[in-house]
Amino acid sequence: EVQLVESGGGLVQPGGSLRLSCAASGFTFGSYAMSWVRQAPGKGLEWVSIISGSGVTIYYADYVQGRFTFSRDNSKTTLYLQMNSLRAEDTAIYYCAKGYRGGLWEPYDYWGQGTLVTVSS
Amino acid sequence: EIVLTQSPGTLSLSPGDRATLSCRASQTVSDIFLAWYQQRGGQAPRLLIYGASSRATGIPDRFSGSGSGTDFTLTISRLEPEDFAVYYCQQYGSSPWTFGQGTKVQIK
Repeated sequence: EVQLVESGGGLVQPGGSLRLSCAASGFTFGSYAMSWVRQAPGKGLEWVSIISGSGVTIYYADYVQGRFTFSRDNSKTTLYLQMNSLRAEDTAIYYCAKGYRGGLWEPYDYWGQGTLVTVSS
Repeated sequence: EIVLTQSPGTLSLSPGDRATLSCRASQTVSDIFLAWYQQRGGQAPRLLIYGASSRATGIPDRFSGSGSGTDFTLTISRLEPEDFAVYYCQQYGSSPWTFGQGTKVQIK
């Protein structure tokens, strides 16, 4: 059974940093691209970043480029999202999601339960 | 960036009704790169349709997708109580990946 479990969310002050993790199991982790998608309270889904199975190719949304870093440890089947210079508008539930057939250009067939990040003073 | 605009914003229907949701793209989306998701209150999204018209594993056949180019449609043939939720379209064929703003299907 595929499982994605996010952790690391919490309350942080504007300008602060936070590192999210997503522990994956139930599939051949290194063969699949993975993504982060966020959802501000009461709002819609917003794509954040994607990383290839090897970790070599990474794309970011413009609004996080230069502030967030997406990485993966295939030996630990875990994703990481390092978030720096956080802003109030980064407040959201952050979901990790698995690509359907492995490549970058795939829909997301499994999602974690999300972890809430709140940026506030 | 491909902007996806969903309509209507809210759809008020009764169980057993047919629901038709629209997703319009600002640029042509190859029809193999358009997906639909369902999100029930407080839950993570669930993949319904990919490639514009292929149902994901375990999705009932009352859900169907159609369309090409810039206009796509999700149809729910007969609404079940569990279908009242928010639905999002997504294009995954060009960076940045983008979602529509969502259509809420609520009980009339």
